[in-house]
Amino acid sequence: DAGVTQSPTHLIKTRGQQVTLRCSPKSGHDTVSWYQQALGQGPQFIFQYYEEEERQRGNFPDRFSGHQFPNYSSELNVNALLLGDSALYLCASSLATGAYEQYFGPGTRLTVT
Amino acid sequence: AQSVTQPDIHITVSEGASLELRCNYSYGATPYLFWYVQSPGQGLQLLLKYFSGDTLVQGIKGFEAEFKRSQSSFNLRKPSVHWSDAAEYFCAVGANYGQNFVFGPGTRLSVLP
Repeated sequence: DAGVTQSPTHLIKTRGQQVTLRCSPKSGHDTVSWYQQALGQGPQFIFQYYEEEERQRGNFPDRFSGHQFPNYSSELNVNALLLGDSALYLCASSLATGAYEQYFGPGTRLTVT
Repeated sequence: AQSVTQPDIHITVSEGASLELRCNYSYGATPYLFWYVQSPGQGLQLLLKYFSGDTLVQGIKGFEAEFKRSQSSFNLRKPSVHWSDAAEYFCAVGANYGQNFVFGPGTRLSVLP
């Protein structure tokens, strides 16, 4: 049973560029959430997707956008990158009904120079 | 809005000693509570969860946690720590169905041989 997978593992971008991160949820899961984890901090909720719609959003600017595909996989896009966007980006999947625990992927380490 | 505090930033224990990591939450209704562990450079692994019922919950790797509504706490315990338990531990609270998780800042656990 494949768990949550994310790609790429690491990437380095320059300020002002755009980046796309990808996530495949755990088999059977239909909901994907994205979190940003800055160094030394707990994860911060960015947004959640269900049925290809953004269902809930945290306190992040519009530069952060996402998408969910019919196969439940998801993308996180960040435009006009800032140095402060450097972080570990975590994807978590869950079921919209039943148990509420979220299963996390290994993350994508983004470095903005 | 819900919030989570973890008063201890860093704890050091000797291998074989007992462990208790503190977590306090703020939420108006019955919370869903979680403990996750994160090894360096890795994603988050779910240790245990509390939704309702018995206030003492058992998790993986010999961990347990006790929900105390009167103290708004959900402390994590382990009777005998192993060197492999050295990691970062995060407490999280999830509100109603479909809502996001709020994570605490984490407690880093070091284990002395």
